[in-house]
Amino acid sequence: ELKVEQNPLFLSMQEGKNYTIYCNYSTTSDRLYWYRQDPGKSLESLFVLLSNGAVKQEGRLMASLDTKARLSTLHITAAVHDLSATYFCAVDIDQGGKLIFGQGTELSVKP
Amino acid sequence: NAGVTQTPKFRVLKTGQSMTLLCAQDMNHEYMYWYRQDPGMGLRLIHYSVGEGTTAKGEVPDGYNVSRLKKQNFLLGLESAAPSQTSVYFCASSSLGQVSGELFFGEGSRLTVL
Repeated sequence: ELKVEQNPLFLSMQEGKNYTIYCNYSTTSDRLYWYRQDPGKSLESLFVLLSNGAVKQEGRLMASLDTKARLSTLHITAAVHDLSATYFCAVDIDQGGKLIFGQGTELSVKP
Repeated sequence: NAGVTQTPKFRVLKTGQSMTLLCAQDMNHEYMYWYRQDPGMGLRLIHYSVGEGTTAKGEVPDGYNVSRLKKQNFLLGLESAAPSQTSVYFCASSSLGQVSGELFFGEGSRLTVL
């Protein structure tokens, strides 16, 4: 059975601190996505990682993909309150756009 | 700039009633999806479609039916609603010709079954 597991599921951070969210998956795939969701809102695409070793950065967020380890990370640098949201990773399991999502990581950044 | 539009946004049903959620996209995407989101469980794929006239089951298809009669529309039906189907439903679409395979989501439809 395919599993996509994120940890931690809840993360409370202080502004200015660094942290990493992990996404492990149980099947071979070289396509992984990160989405952000604000409370009561839809999902917004953050990163698309399409090959082993892919690294993408946008502002204080950096995502990477290691397909051999079946692991993706979302690193947060010098967190600010505006980053408070739920972050999901999703794996394309058949290269055909069928995405399976992790449980989500609820991030709260406090002053 | 409509993108992916879902109707209705909110609905309350009684157990056993039926309803249809409509998803419309104006991006000429080939692929369309229905997900449900429940607390602590992320998004789970219900059904998806890779083109007009085609549908396929996802992770949690039981209790739902879908139809894709037109390329731009993807309908999700509940024939006999159950309280376990209380959830937020998201429709998404993506392009076959897009290298990234990125999904574009609608705003969600919140369904409560009493």
